[in-house]
Amino acid sequence: EAEVAQSPRYKITEKSQAVAFWCDPISGHATLYWYRQILGQGPELLVQFQDESVVDDSQLPKDRFSAERLKGVDSTLKIQPAELGDSAMYLCASSPLAGGELFFGEGSRLTVL
Amino acid sequence: GQSLEQPSEVTAVEGAIVQINCTYQTSGFYGLSWYQQHDGGAPTFLSYNGLDGLEETGRFSSFLSRSDSYGYLLLQELQMKDSASYFCAVRGYNKLIFGAGTRLAVHP
Repeated sequence: EAEVAQSPRYKITEKSQAVAFWCDPISGHATLYWYRQILGQGPELLVQFQDESVVDDSQLPKDRFSAERLKGVDSTLKIQPAELGDSAMYLCASSPLAGGELFFGEGSRLTVL
Repeated sequence: GQSLEQPSEVTAVEGAIVQINCTYQTSGFYGLSWYQQHDGGAPTFLSYNGLDGLEETGRFSSFLSRSDSYGYLLLQELQMKDSASYFCAVRGYNKLIFGAGTRLAVHP
């Protein structure tokens, strides 16, 4: 069964360092999402791609966060510099249709010390 | 803006029926989805309601009333493995916005 792949599963870093997360969506899924989930809360949309184009990044803190999906397949989310408040689970999801059922990866748990 | 409200916690016993409510305020509403997330795991899709009424999938059912901006997830014949967080999510134009989640604890 096809899955969304994410790496790393866990990342511990010190504040002010740079961090990067990678996501490989299910093959053929044109829509890719990055969500941030703080413990005990629901996923919060950071950025949404349709193929290689950004559809929505209104909640992405652009002073420190960046995301790209250069060839419309896999994607990278970067944080530089990391802050203590960035500690969270970063979830990648893909969908065959924008707004359709989302298939989530296992997530990348970030701890900033 | 968009907002969703659902209870933070629900407790039930094995074999019982539990209903998790969700009310929402949003512009550009297309439908309501439900996702399940076990501790440490990824959210997984449970159901979607685009039209008013009840959708049934095995032990789980979901209901939507667009006029009341309200929906619920109904879980029947509860099992211990149903202990998890359940999120309602509003499907707007091209995106999905999640609620804060309801933590369901099923006891023997």
